[in-house]
Amino acid sequence: DAGVIQSPRHEVTEMGQEVTLRCKPISGHNSLFWYRQTMMRGLELLIYFNNNVPIDDSGMPEDRFSAKMPNASFSTLKIQPSEPRDSAVYFCASRDSGRAQETQYFGPGTRLLVL
Amino acid sequence: ILNVEQSPQSLHVQEGDSTNFTCSFPSSNFYALHWYRWETAKSPEALFVMTLNGDEKKKGRISATLNTKEGYSYLYIKGSQPEDSATYLCAFSSGSARQLTFGSGTQLTVLP
Repeated sequence: DAGVIQSPRHEVTEMGQEVTLRCKPISGHNSLFWYRQTMMRGLELLIYFNNNVPIDDSGMPEDRFSAKMPNASFSTLKIQPSEPRDSAVYFCASRDSGRAQETQYFGPGTRLLVL
Repeated sequence: ILNVEQSPQSLHVQEGDSTNFTCSFPSSNFYALHWYRWETAKSPEALFVMTLNGDEKKKGRISATLNTKEGYSYLYIKGSQPEDSATYLCAFSSGSARQLTFGSGTQLTVLP
C-alpha cells in the first residue's frame, strides 16, 4: 500500500494567492482528516470527513479555508486568499473507521510558506 | 474542550538510559488513547492504540500502559538509543467525538 499521499510536498506562494493542497487517502479508508502543525499550536485538527461527508469543521480557522472530498479517494484543502500566518505544515490522515482500534495514518505533509 | 497534557515537554537522556513520559486526558467518556512517534521532517507514525483500562502494549524496547479511571498513560523506553530521538505524541478520543485530540508532545533526545 502506498500510504496516504499528499501533494505538493512544498509550496511557496505570495500573500493573496490561492493555495490548493491535495490528499489521496489509503484505499479502503473511509475517514479523512486535515491537520495543521505550527510551532505555537502544535498539531490541530482542521476538518474531518466520514464517507466523504464533512463531520466536524470547527477547527477551520476562517472562511478563507475550505475543504472538499468529492470521492473516496481524493480531498482538497483550499486557502483563498492566503496570508503569511497560514504558513505551516498541513497533514492529511486517513482511517478505516470500521476497525476498533481506529488508528489514523498520516501522509508526509505539505510545507506551506506564504510570503 | 478536551485537554490532553503531556510531560515533560522535552527530555535529554544518555544512550542506554531508560525513560518514561506521561500523558493525561479526561477520564470521562473515554474511547481510545493513541501514542505516535514523530521524527523531524517526517509524519507521525502510530505506535500503540489502547482502549481498555489496564491495557499494556509493547513494541521492542517501547511499552505503554493505560489507566482510564484516573486519566493517564505512560510510555516507557528501555535502553534508549539515538534513533529513539523523536517527539512522542499522545492523542485521545472520547465516545462522543471519534476524532483525535493531540497533546503537545514530549521531545526526546538521546545523546550518544
